[in-house]
Amino acid sequence: GIQVEQSPPDLILQEGANSTLRCNFSDSVNNLQWFHQNPWGQLINLFYIPSGTKQNGRLSATTVATERYSLLYISSSQTTDSGVYFCAASRNSGNTPLVFGKGTRLSVIA
Amino acid sequence: NAGVTQTPKFRVLKTGQSMTLLCAQDMNHEYMYWYRQDPGMGLRLIHYSVGEGTTAKGEVPDGYNVSRLKKQNFLLGLESAAPSQTSVYFCASSYGGDYGYTFGSGTRLTVV
Repeated sequence: GIQVEQSPPDLILQEGANSTLRCNFSDSVNNLQWFHQNPWGQLINLFYIPSGTKQNGRLSATTVATERYSLLYISSSQTTDSGVYFCAASRNSGNTPLVFGKGTRLSVIA
Repeated sequence: NAGVTQTPKFRVLKTGQSMTLLCAQDMNHEYMYWYRQDPGMGLRLIHYSVGEGTTAKGEVPDGYNVSRLKKQNFLLGLESAAPSQTSVYFCASSYGGDYGYTFGSGTRLTVV
């Protein structure tokens, strides 16, 4: 099956700093999503982005499907951005469920 | 609009006991999924369903059974709980394979 690798595994930022999280995947994808798991454990869908670029406030994401990677950008980070960010991908359209990476744990310090 | 609701939120079981986790969604989603989350492992797929009456195995199905008798509900059963099944269990749903997932808030299960 598809392999999903995320980097870095851990990241500590000062409030106000910018960051880039990377997701590499081993095969062509028809579904790629970014999730944020907050400190209380809730998983929130940030982006559905199998290709192209999307932006939502201070967050944006870019997927370059031909080169098999996706990037999540966080600008002007806030303490509420802390948590674990997961990338997940599935190989084919239709029935194949998402495979998750192991996540990037982000800590934003005031 | 409740989205995806999981019950219970917490449970402690003794080894060998059985239990059922319930996932309910009110978004008319066709697809539903059960994942487990263990420290440092990300989320791993247990079972999933692509429609009412269907189920399929995921990456780590051993020791679990599922049923999807109604479109809005997806049940995960543990017939004889083992300490290795101590984990946080997440249910998710989507319109289809190429759509965004909505997750429930999770069930924290401890098997002693």
